[in-house]
Amino acid sequence: GAVVSQHPSWVICKSGTSVKIECRSLDFQATTMFWYRQFPKQSLMLMATSNEGSKATYEQGVEKDKFLINHASLTLSTLTVTSAHPEDSSFYICSASISGSTGELFFGEGSRLTVL
Amino acid sequence: GESVGLHLPTLSVQEGDNSIINCAYSNSASDYFIWYKQESGKGPQFIIDIRSNMDKRQGQRVTVLLNKTVKHLSLQIAATQPGDSAVYFCAERSSGGSYIPTFGRGTSLIVHP
Repeated sequence: GAVVSQHPSWVICKSGTSVKIECRSLDFQATTMFWYRQFPKQSLMLMATSNEGSKATYEQGVEKDKFLINHASLTLSTLTVTSAHPEDSSFYICSASISGSTGELFFGEGSRLTVL
Repeated sequence: GESVGLHLPTLSVQEGDNSIINCAYSNSASDYFIWYKQESGKGPQFIIDIRSNMDKRQGQRVTVLLNKTVKHLSLQIAATQPGDSAVYFCAERSSGGSYIPTFGRGTSLIVHP
């Protein structure tokens, strides 16, 4: 199956700093990528839909200025958590679709963010 | 609002037993359902899917059953192995919606050797 890679797999940062997480589709072009957030023992919550070359679409309640998403190429989307605070600590997972928003989703391995 | 949920948050089984994980959904427009397996600290992995025009689909050691009448979905794992220990999520998609799957709450499957 298609491979989606996330980097870093884990990161620890100080409160107030910004952290960038990368999501790459390794063997296919992804016109659409999705970013999820997952708290311990909870389900995945969709944060935003990222379309190559256009602005991301954020779900209700997700601050777009807090979680900056850039999808500059067909193989790379980035999520930047700006001015991170301890409540932003979470597991962030990206997924990518070959066929826009209608195709099968392939998930990355996730990135664990811990904000001190 | 519409939701996808699971009946049991934790399921403990002995190695070799069959496991059944259940999922209820409420969106009658859902026409595509997916089961994912998520191991600790990793992203979800696709297990099996089923479309609403089917009521059963089999894979390798896994079977998904769909009962549209009561809006119920189940995942059956035959001869459960310790490597099956993980959290299992059902997800639903609607062709009339955004095609982005909505995830259920998740069931933690614990397999005892």
